[in-house]
Order: sequence, then C-alpha cells, then structure tokens
Amino acid sequence: DIRMTQSPSSLSASVGDRVTITCRASQGIGNYLSWYQQKPGKAPKLLIYAASSLQSGVPSRFSGSGSGTDFTLTVSSLQPEDFAIYYCQQSYGAPRTFGQGTELEIK
Amino acid sequence: EVQLVESGGGLVQPGGSLRLSCAASGFSFSTYWMSWVRQAPGKGLEWVANIKEDESEEYYVDSVKGRFTISRDNAKNSLFLQMNGLRVEDTAVYYCATMEWGGPFDYWGQGTLVTVSS
Repeated sequence: DIRMTQSPSSLSASVGDRVTITCRASQGIGNYLSWYQQKPGKAPKLLIYAASSLQSGVPSRFSGSGSGTDFTLTVSSLQPEDFAIYYCQQSYGAPRTFGQGTELEIK
Repeated sequence: EVQLVESGGGLVQPGGSLRLSCAASGFSFSTYWMSWVRQAPGKGLEWVANIKEDESEEYYVDSVKGRFTISRDNAKNSLFLQMNGLRVEDTAVYYCATMEWGGPFDYWGQGTLVTVSS
C-alpha cells in the first residue's frame, strides 16, 4: 500500500496567516493527489484534485502543488471558517489511502 | 444539487450484521463509480470499498474482504454495504461517496454511525 504522511500533524495559526501543509507519498503517484477539509461532525469536503485543480466552489485562497512524492496545500490568508482538519489522499494505487490528517487550530 | 443520504447504522454485537444504504439524487447515479469510506471515532479516513457504474467490478480493503459486500441499484439510485461478521474494529462513521476512477471522492454523504459492541 502507498503510505501518505502529512506534516505537521497539528498547526496553530491566526486569521490572515498564510499556512502550508505538506503531504509525502511513499512512492511516486504522479499528480493523483487530492486534498479534503473536514470540520467537526461533518463529512469531508473535496478542496483540490489532481494535485493543483481547485474544486468548483472552493475559495481561491486554497491552492495545491506538487507531483511525484511531495505535495503541498497552501491557504493564502486564513479565514475563521478554515480552521478544520485537512487530509491528503492518493488515487494512483490500490487501495486508495489517506494521510493521517493535519489539524489547523486557531492561535 | 448532489445529495447522498446514508442510513442503516446502529449498535450491533460482534459477529452480527448490518446493511447500510445510501440514497443518491441530483446527479446521474448510474454513470458514477461509488465508494464507502469510514472513519473510526477520533481517527482518520479509510477507504472501504468501491463499485463500478455497471456493477461489473468491485474492490475492498483487505480488512473487510469476505465480510462486506458492496452493491447498487441504479434503477433506485441507491448504494448498499452488507456488513457481516462485524468486529469491534469496524466501529466507525460510514460515508458513501462518488468517485472518479483515478480521481477524488467528489461528493460525500453525511455518514451513518456503526457501533460494534457487546
């Protein structure tokens, strides 16, 4: 199985900050990488697919980059509603696997 | 608007069975792969199973093979997960989700909680 490792596991930041979350795959996955946001008690929501494509309706302050084994999710200017848990997920190999999550907390 | 509504969760004893359902609307259900993804309490996300549009292919995570069966009824825009031989470690919120082959889980339901406990 392809192992997805996110860093950091948790992150404290303030409204207006620029933050970056990293996801590393245990083997090359091309650009078969998606990012999700999950708020407490809610289902995950797709933010980014194909490493850098913004899902319809997602604010442009979210962006993704990377290919191969190293990927990043950047939020350019944090808003109050962005505090949540973020997961990366690969769809290159079976089984599809997720990172362990990054909890973004208010400082 | 895409809607996925899961049902069928509940409390079951180890070794028991449950059948989860997912009612889909707002999109062409019969043209999408569909998946089940679960999340144990306080834990991360784990893909469980997926099924092709025409039911000709289905795949499972190793931990549920031989115990869970995914199916669908395209005429009724519904997805199912038959879970037999349930274990304590199957306790989780189960989400149904649309899936692009080689792509993401686009849309998710609200989830249904399955608790396996004696």
